[in-house]
Amino acid sequence: TAGITQAPTSQILAAGRSMTLRCTQDMRHNAMYWYRQDLGLGLRLIHYSNTAGTTGKGEVPDGYSVSRANTDDFPLTLASAVPSQTSVYFCASSEGTSFTDTQYFGPGTRLTVL
Amino acid sequence: AQSVAQPEDQVNVAEGNPLTVKCTYSVSGNPYLFWYVQYPNRGLQFLLKYITGDNLVKGSYGFEAEFNKSQTSFHLKKPSALVSDSALYFCAVLTGANNLFFGTGTRLTVIP
Repeated sequence: TAGITQAPTSQILAAGRSMTLRCTQDMRHNAMYWYRQDLGLGLRLIHYSNTAGTTGKGEVPDGYSVSRANTDDFPLTLASAVPSQTSVYFCASSEGTSFTDTQYFGPGTRLTVL
Repeated sequence: AQSVAQPEDQVNVAEGNPLTVKCTYSVSGNPYLFWYVQYPNRGLQFLLKYITGDNLVKGSYGFEAEFNKSQTSFHLKKPSALVSDSALYFCAVLTGANNLFFGTGTRLTVIP
């Protein structure tokens, strides 16, 4: 079982360009999440989805959008990247929809915006 | 504001010695607390959580954590450290219904 896969592993992106970070899980988990990890700040929640067709905003949603067309996929889109979006992005999932449920994380995508 | 604090950026311990990674929290109401570990170039892995019940929570890889309400702490412990325990450890608290707030992390180095 692969668990959660993320693509690409890393990317360098010019400011102003758009990009979609991909996340796929094969555990049939209901909820999925996107976090960014920045040095000295821990992880911060960007967006989440409790089930296919629904999404919600986290702590730092500005500049990002998500969709949840099916259970397995939860792509994160940066419409017009800015240097402050340089970060490591982690996708996660949980079987239940409560934030008390254990979350399982993907390997991350390292994004550099120049 | 609800949050967690990890007062130590770095903890060094000799192999075979007990280890403690500290976490304090600030929440209104009942706290829901978590520990995750991150190995180099990997995503976070769940270690344990406190939701309710016994104050001593046992988790993966021999780790445990004690919930102390009077001291608002949830320190992570292990009786005998292994070199393979060297990693970045994150404490987290559930803030409201829709956010898991992570601490800034503590880098644990176990010295052979």
